[in-house]
Amino acid sequence: NAGVTQTPKFQVLKTGQSMTLQCAQDMNHNSMYWYRQDPGMGLRLIYYSASEGTTDKGEVPNGYNVSRLNKREFSLRLESAAPSQTSVYFCASSDSGRDQPQHFGDGTRLSIL
Amino acid sequence: QQQVKQSPQSLIVQKGGISIINCAYENTAFDYFPWYQQFPGKGPALLIAIRPDVSEKKEGRFTISFNKSAKQFSLHIMDSQPGDSATYFCAASIRSGGYALNFGKGTSLLVTP
Repeated sequence: NAGVTQTPKFQVLKTGQSMTLQCAQDMNHNSMYWYRQDPGMGLRLIYYSASEGTTDKGEVPNGYNVSRLNKREFSLRLESAAPSQTSVYFCASSDSGRDQPQHFGDGTRLSIL
Repeated sequence: QQQVKQSPQSLIVQKGGISIINCAYENTAFDYFPWYQQFPGKGPALLIAIRPDVSEKKEGRFTISFNKSAKQFSLHIMDSQPGDSATYFCAASIRSGGYALNFGKGTSLLVTP
C-alpha cells in the first residue's frame, strides 16, 4: 500500500522554467491538498480539492495552478518558476469530513536558481 | 497571516521528562485540532487530534489539553524518549475550508539520553 506518492523527489529549475509536480493516492480519498514548507514557516496551503472536479485556493496560491485529473491524481504546476518558490512541497489526501486524518507524501524538494 | 500560533520554536528535554508545546488560535470557527509529527525527510503524520467539545484527550504518552474559552491547546508528551525527537506541528481546520489544515510554525523537539 503506497499511500500518497509524489514525483519527482528532487528537482532543480532555472528561473522562468515551468514544471509540474505530480501526486497520486491509492486510498480512494475524496480530498487532496498541496502545501509548501519553508524553514520557520510551518506548512502553508497552496490549493486544495475537496472532491473530484473541484479546486480552491489556499493561503499562498499565487504563481501556481492545479489540476485534479481524476480521483487519484492532483498535480501542481509552476508556470514560470521564481526563486521565492524554492521550497519543499507536500501533497496530502483524506476522506471527506472533519475527523479524517490527512495522509502526506514524502515531499518534493524544489530549488529554483 | 498565521492563524495558529505555536511555541516554543525549539525544545530540549531529558529522557523521561515531560515535553509541553503550546498553541493558540483566533478563529472560533475552527472545529478540529490535530497534532502532526514530522521526522527529517518525511511528510508529517497525524499524532493525535481533539474536537473543541472535549477538554482533554490521551493516547498513550501523548495528551492534548484544550481550553476553548482561552482559545488555546497544548500537547504534553510524558516520559519523553529519544525516539520522540522530531518536529511537531499543531493545526486547526474548518469545514468551509475543505478541512484543509492551518498549521503552526512547528516545534523542534530534541530528547537527550
